[in-house]
Amino acid sequence: NAGVTQTPKFRVLKTGQSMTLLCAQDMNHEYMYWYRQDPGMGLRLIHYSVGEGTTAKGEVPDGYNVSRLKKQNFLLGLESAAPSQTSVYFCASSQSNNYEQYFGPGTRLTVT
Amino acid sequence: AQRVTQPEKLLSVFKGAPVELKCNYSYSGSPELFWYVQYSRQRLQLLLRHISRESIKGFTADLNKGETSFHLKKPFAQEEDSAMYYCALRMAAGNKLTFGGGTRVLVKP
Repeated sequence: NAGVTQTPKFRVLKTGQSMTLLCAQDMNHEYMYWYRQDPGMGLRLIHYSVGEGTTAKGEVPDGYNVSRLKKQNFLLGLESAAPSQTSVYFCASSQSNNYEQYFGPGTRLTVT
Repeated sequence: AQRVTQPEKLLSVFKGAPVELKCNYSYSGSPELFWYVQYSRQRLQLLLRHISRESIKGFTADLNKGETSFHLKKPFAQEEDSAMYYCALRMAAGNKLTFGGGTRVLVKP
């Protein structure tokens, strides 16, 4: 039981490049989330999903897109990376509403 | 809009000393508060939630609705408590969390 895993662990992009971050969970959780963590600002919710095939915007969704085609996976896409998207990205999942969120190990992304 | 504020970015204490991490929130609904901890090279994990009213690793936190606070306390800090601590507020719809900016705790020997 790996819990929540994230791929890749590190990535360096040039401005304007695109990439997809993959989050996978093996706990059969319904809800999944993408956060970004910046110094002094804590974690901020980018997008979330309350079930397969559904997504919704969080606090800072601009510049990101997501998809939840399979229950166990939640993909975060950057279509045209910008230096402001340099951050550590965390994925999380929870069984459903009112349940603890379990976090992945994070992906450190640098955009130059 | 909901907001969580952790006024201290860094707390440095000696081993055995008390430690208190402050958390204040603003939320129009009925609040549900959490403390999450991130140890070095480990993932973020839940430390405690106010609704459980339990003590975890010697830490306690009391929700004070009058002062809109949820401060985390431990009477005798240990070196292994050195970590990043985040206070978070849960919104019922979508089980979403709003996090504070975090407080880094450094416990010196």
